[in-house]
Amino acid sequence: GIQVEQSPPDLILQEGANSTLRCNFSDSVNNLQWFHQNPWGQLINLFYIPSGTKQNGRLSATTVATERYSLLYISSSQTTDSGVYFCAVRSSNDYKLSFGAGTTVTVRA
Amino acid sequence: DAGVIQSPRHEVTEMGQEVTLRCKPISGHNSLFWYRQTMMRGLELLIYFNNNVPIDDSGMPEDRFSAKMPNASFSTLKIQPSEPRDSAVYFCASSHLRADFLYEQYFGPGTRLTVT
Repeated sequence: GIQVEQSPPDLILQEGANSTLRCNFSDSVNNLQWFHQNPWGQLINLFYIPSGTKQNGRLSATTVATERYSLLYISSSQTTDSGVYFCAVRSSNDYKLSFGAGTTVTVRA
Repeated sequence: DAGVIQSPRHEVTEMGQEVTLRCKPISGHNSLFWYRQTMMRGLELLIYFNNNVPIDDSGMPEDRFSAKMPNASFSTLKIQPSEPRDSAVYFCASSHLRADFLYEQYFGPGTRLTVT
């Protein structure tokens, strides 16, 4: 199956800092999602971004499908950004999402 | 829309007891997924339904696990008998699978199961 690698595994930020999370995948995809799992365990959809760039407030994401990676940018981080960020991909003609191991982000006040 | 609804949110039971987890997908979605999340194994897909029909149950760990989807708005995941190693967070997710296989998957809040 498709392999998904996320980096870094852990990230500690001071409030107000910017950061970039990376997701590499091993095969062509037609579906890529970023999720945030908050400290209460809920998985929240951030972006559906099989290609291109999207922005939502302080978060933005870019997927370069031809080079098999996606980036999630967090700007002016806040303590509420803490949690685990998952990248999930699905290859063509498949229904299964393959998840990366996640990046654990801790934002300190 | 209320999103994907799961119940109960927390379940504590004793080994050997039957456990039933429930899920209501987002209205209009035709695909439903059950996942299990543990620290050791991360998120695992247990079973996938499309138009209420189980398509792939290869992720179901053993015969103690069963899932049903009697209609488009309800699904259950049952564990009988439960064991301590079944302790995990169980997520239900739904999506609208298009003919071109493009879709976005939405997760419910999860059920935290503890088997003592």
